[in-house]
Order: sequence, then structure tokens, then C-alpha cells
Amino acid sequence: GAGVSQSPSNKVTEKGKDVELRCDPISGHTALYWYRQRLGQGLEFLIYFQGNSAPDKSGLPSDRFSAERTGESVSTLTIQRTQQEDSAVYLCASSALQGAQLYEQYFGPGTRLTVT
Amino acid sequence: GDSVTQMEGPVTLSEEAFLTINCTYTATGYPSLFWYVQYPGEGLQLLLKATKADDKGSNKGFEATYRKETTSFHLEKGSVQVSDSAVYFCALSKRGGSNYKLTFGKGTLLTVNP
Repeated sequence: GAGVSQSPSNKVTEKGKDVELRCDPISGHTALYWYRQRLGQGLEFLIYFQGNSAPDKSGLPSDRFSAERTGESVSTLTIQRTQQEDSAVYLCASSALQGAQLYEQYFGPGTRLTVT
Repeated sequence: GDSVTQMEGPVTLSEEAFLTINCTYTATGYPSLFWYVQYPGEGLQLLLKATKADDKGSNKGFEATYRKETTSFHLEKGSVQVSDSAVYFCALSKRGGSNYKLTFGKGTLLTVNP
């Protein structure tokens, strides 16, 4: 079946503009994660969704970052008033979650954001 | 907080050479450990995992053993191929409520020459 998809694949924006990044998880996956990978760094956790709620937003770096999920499916990560330090690859992952079972996280191809 | 440290690259090897990429972790409790791989132009994918001490994960000729006494999960392969050229990430996960977020190392770029 289809994997995790993200759009756009590349986004160049001017400092101060707002951007929206989209993630379409694998159908039926209730858990959804956003991560960020800055140049030369590992992936950093941003936010976790279980269904449509976000019980863990601890990785969001500032109040300029927000995310929502609807229909237990599509998620949008919004960055307001972008700054150059927001330049990174933003990755989305989804997994099935049932009871205490840990299932593999499947990653999308990422959105490369460049703030000029 | 939890963290993962892996050897810095880049690592360059000749085909059929032996590969080791070191990974150590700091975490409370009992994390699960993972190796993810990112091939050129592709998304991140799970290579292998181990969920408890002394477990060995293996896939595609790669192996890693969960060593709690040394807090390590080193990746090994006996004979690398050109097609193994990729970035390798070590990661851990602990359950926090229903959140299994991953904590990653910085990644190690492996280049295998023919």
C-alpha cells in the first residue's frame, strides 16, 4: 500500500513568511510524529499525535510552531514568521499503536525548508 | 534527558570490508534500540531493532546487540557492498504514555567503494 507522503518536497520562503507543511500518514495509523533534521544534526522530535490530539508537544521549539491533525489522518505543521534557523528537513512518521505494543515508525520523504 | 551518541563519519570502506559503527546511549529505564538507514534520495527506513538487553537485531547482513552493561548498540556487517552506501542513524525509544518518540544520533555517512 501507499507509504507516508509529504508535501511540498521542497519549499523556499523569505524570512518572516508563514509556511505550511503537510503529512499524509499510512491509512489506519493512529500515531503520527513530526521530526526536524537540521544540517549536521540528528533528527529532533517535535510533536506526537495520538488520533487527533497531541499529548506531547514538548519538542516544538517556539510558539511560532504549531500543528494539527484532522480525521485521524492528514497533519499540517505550520511555522509562522519563519527565521533562517528554521531551515531544515521536516520529517513525518506514522505507526500503528495498539495497547502496549510498539510498532515500527514509517517515515515520509521529508520537506526541505529553506528560509532566505 | 535521553541521548544517543554515534561515531562521526564519514566512513569510507572498500567492498567486502568489515564495518563497525559505534553507538552508545544514555537513558533511564529500559529503552528499545534501533538502527535506521537513509539511502541516497530515499526516506528513512528501519534497518533493525532490539527491545531488551542481550537481544540481537539483524537484517540484510547487518547485526547489532543490545548491551545494557556498556549501554551500547554497535552496528556491524562482515562484508559491505557498494549498495550499503547510505547514512546510518542509531536511535532509542521509550514509552511515555502512548508516545514512543525516537531519540536519534547525528548519523554516520558510509561510502563503500568498488
